[in-house]
Amino acid sequence: GDSVTQMEGPVTLSEEAFLTINCTYTATGYPSLFWYVQYPGEGLQLLLKATKADDKGSNKGFEATYRKETTSFHLEKGSVQVSDSAVYFCALMDTGRRALTFGSGTRLQVQP
Amino acid sequence: NAGVTQTPKFQVLKTGQSMTLQCAQDMNHEYMSWYRQDPGMGLRLIHYSVGAGITDQGEVPNGYNVSRSTTEDFPLRLLSAAPSQTSVYFCASSYVRTGGSYGYTFGSGTRLTVV
Repeated sequence: GDSVTQMEGPVTLSEEAFLTINCTYTATGYPSLFWYVQYPGEGLQLLLKATKADDKGSNKGFEATYRKETTSFHLEKGSVQVSDSAVYFCALMDTGRRALTFGSGTRLQVQP
Repeated sequence: NAGVTQTPKFQVLKTGQSMTLQCAQDMNHEYMSWYRQDPGMGLRLIHYSVGAGITDQGEVPNGYNVSRSTTEDFPLRLLSAAPSQTSVYFCASSYVRTGGSYGYTFGSGTRLTVV
């Protein structure tokens, strides 16, 4: 079945540091890929998405590129802020089942 | 725009009790789904629906029932609550577009404790 693997956290960075959160996936078809963010005490918000190979999703300074050859969708940001502290989830939706499969989440802590 | 509305926000149940978690969306989305979130395990799919009258099981369906009689509503029923069902439950809905561009919107969650 489909699966998503994320790097374990927590990831602790200083403000203005470069961020990478690794995400790899296994899927039988050609899935769409997503990053969701969950701030403390809140639900999930869609951060960015990509629907086909080589697509780059971007939002709020975050970027991720759909790499079919390496089955990866790593999240990057050039300069993190304290307000980026949250849990980040990588997810996929395959072409058959119209529901999301999530990774286990990566907690990001940004220190001033 | 209300988006996806879940009720209640918090609930405490005794083992063996039954209850229904409500989920409603006002965006005319075709797809709806229920997830549970447990520490260190991400979100796991319980049940999902691709339209009114159509439901299917996800990864962890045991102990839960769903129905989809209207496009707007997708209630989740716990038949006989167990401590293992203590979790945070999220409902989500999504539109469908040609070419596979989906947008899932999540509710704010229901925190359920079974004692």
